[in-house]
Amino acid sequence: EAQVTQNPRYLITVTGKKLTVTCSQNMNHEYMSWYRQDPGLGLRQIYYSMNVEVTDKGDVPEGYKVSRKEKRNFPLILESPSPNQTSLYFCASNRWGVQYFGPGTRLTVT
Amino acid sequence: SQELEQSPQSLIVQEGKNLTINCTSSKTLYGLYWYKQKYGEGLIFLMMLQKGGEEKSHEKITAKLDEKKQQSSLHITASQPSHAGIYLCGADAVGSGNTPLVFGKGTRLSVIA
Repeated sequence: EAQVTQNPRYLITVTGKKLTVTCSQNMNHEYMSWYRQDPGLGLRQIYYSMNVEVTDKGDVPEGYKVSRKEKRNFPLILESPSPNQTSLYFCASNRWGVQYFGPGTRLTVT
Repeated sequence: SQELEQSPQSLIVQEGKNLTINCTSSKTLYGLYWYKQKYGEGLIFLMMLQKGGEEKSHEKITAKLDEKKQQSSLHITASQPSHAGIYLCGADAVGSGNTPLVFGKGTRLSVIA
């Protein structure tokens, strides 16, 4: 089944403790991206990657890092999480404009 | 940067009624995408519109693109409880089909029996 998977689905952590949210797609898409969704602000892009080893900032990249060492994986790294990064995160892969979203990761930073 | 404004922000309709959601862009629309999201879950792709005047339908959902008005509308006929959720429009800011989408803030639809 074609899909985008994210792990973990839920995470509660403390300020400053490094974490990684994994994202993997099995559709051989070159293009992948990360979004965060917040009430009243909608869905905002964090980072995107047009291919392996090619990443670029989206609208809200501060406090986040990404890497794209292989086509199928696009992890999101929070080196020192802060409470304002509490949000619902989505990974997506893209082919011909259609974005396929993962199920989301609900992150709470206390 | 491109912005998408959706209206209404929320909508409560009685089962069986028709409804329309609008999405207006601040810039030229090269590609317009409609997604549905169940509360707290991932987004499901509904339809993509690329040409002015284009209209697509899937089951009881029809979407249209008015290029001149930089606007798209999503129409649901004879709404059902299964239509409840958040509808988001997304636009391809560049038109390459290979860039992140800019999204509207969503329209929350509730369908009551």
